[in-house]
Amino acid sequence: SQKIEQNSEALNIQEGKTATLTCNYTNYSPAYLQWYRQDPGRGPVFLLLIRENEKEKRKERLKVTFDTTLKQSLFHITASQPADSATYLCALVEDTGGFKTIFGAGTRLFVKA
Amino acid sequence: GAVVSQHPSWVICKSGTSVKIECRSLDFQATTMFWYRQFPKQSLMLMATSNEGSKATYEQGVEKDKFLINHASLTLSTLTVTSAHPEDSSFYICSAKFLGETQYFGPGTRLLVL
Repeated sequence: SQKIEQNSEALNIQEGKTATLTCNYTNYSPAYLQWYRQDPGRGPVFLLLIRENEKEKRKERLKVTFDTTLKQSLFHITASQPADSATYLCALVEDTGGFKTIFGAGTRLFVKA
Repeated sequence: GAVVSQHPSWVICKSGTSVKIECRSLDFQATTMFWYRQFPKQSLMLMATSNEGSKATYEQGVEKDKFLINHASLTLSTLTVTSAHPEDSSFYICSAKFLGETQYFGPGTRLLVL
């Protein structure tokens, strides 16, 4: 069966440390993968997109890796801040004639001051 | 840029009534709009995809007669939950896309059916 899995448990880290979030998928062949941030009671906000032929993408303090062999993406936030506390969603996009986006359930990140 | 709004932000209604939710792209023309539903601590579940001027494509298990989608223009899509029941209570989120791959999400509408 098809699955997209993110750490279901919340991730608690100290301010200044690097947060690493994991996204694993099974029985999908994504054309690309996206990461979103979602705050409570709000819609997701797009952060980064990485294509199947890309290994790594960076944007300011954010870094995403994509390993199609392991079927895994890692999302890193360096020098984390309390304002980074939110739920982070992994979304993979398949080209099935049209592009379809499938979301993971998200990982809740808490950054303590 | 790329702002998407939703209205209302929350709504409480009685069982059996219909509720309309609007989704607007404010500063761009959306070729495609999507409607999602999200239950607490769960992922966004795609309900339907709509293109301006054509019928929406519904995901498996989503009743098209219950969740009516109208995409009348390149900046407006509406979702009407007909004869709402308590199990329809959820967080409804729309998104819009203009060429490219990125979806821009609205702030969501929380629906509570009593």
